[in-house]
Amino acid sequence: EVQLVQSGAEVKKPGESLQISCKGSGYSFTKSWIAWVRQKPGKGLEWMGIIYPGDSDTRYCPSFQGQVTISADRSINTAYLQWSSLKASDTAIYYCAREGDDDYVADYWGQGTLVTVSS
Amino acid sequence: QSVLTQPPSVSGAPGQRVTISCTGSSSNIGANYAVHWYQQLPGTAPKLLIFLNNIRPSGVPDRFSGSKSGPSASLAITGLQAEDEADYYCQSYDSSLSGWVFGGGTKLTVL
Repeated sequence: EVQLVQSGAEVKKPGESLQISCKGSGYSFTKSWIAWVRQKPGKGLEWMGIIYPGDSDTRYCPSFQGQVTISADRSINTAYLQWSSLKASDTAIYYCAREGDDDYVADYWGQGTLVTVSS
Repeated sequence: QSVLTQPPSVSGAPGQRVTISCTGSSSNIGANYAVHWYQQLPGTAPKLLIFLNNIRPSGVPDRFSGSKSGPSASLAITGLQAEDEADYYCQSYDSSLSGWVFGGGTKLTVL
């Protein structure tokens, strides 16, 4: 069974750094792209970027380029989303999702990680 | 503003049929990229509902169906049930963005 398990909720102050994780299991982690999707409170889904753990090829949505870093450690089947300096506007739920074989579909999703940034 | 356009809300009584539209452009749906639909129940992660325009994953009731024509797509739900009350999102690929694009989401209310 394919599963994506994300790290727990975080509460941070503006300016702090943060890394959240997404561990895949039940499939060959290095052979599927993993995307990150943001959902601000009460709002819709926004694609942030995507990584291919097999070779760490990474693509970013222009809106998020330079704001976050996406990485992966294939030795432990885990993808990461990282901020170097959080802002209050980063408060959101962040989902990881696996890109399936069919035309850019997000076939499995993690449970989400709530990130709250507040002074 | 989302790249794909959906109505913010739709509603229907139990047993009725509702449709949710999703309009794109020549760089995404109109470029023949597939449309996928997700259901997000309150407080949960999105779940794949329809992929490749009209295919239901295993376990999704046949009350849910999808279609695509030109730069637009639609999700239809027949025999509405209270448990269908959720947010629904369409998604495709955009060649200008070189990435996924989502609709703004549609909140379905079962009256």
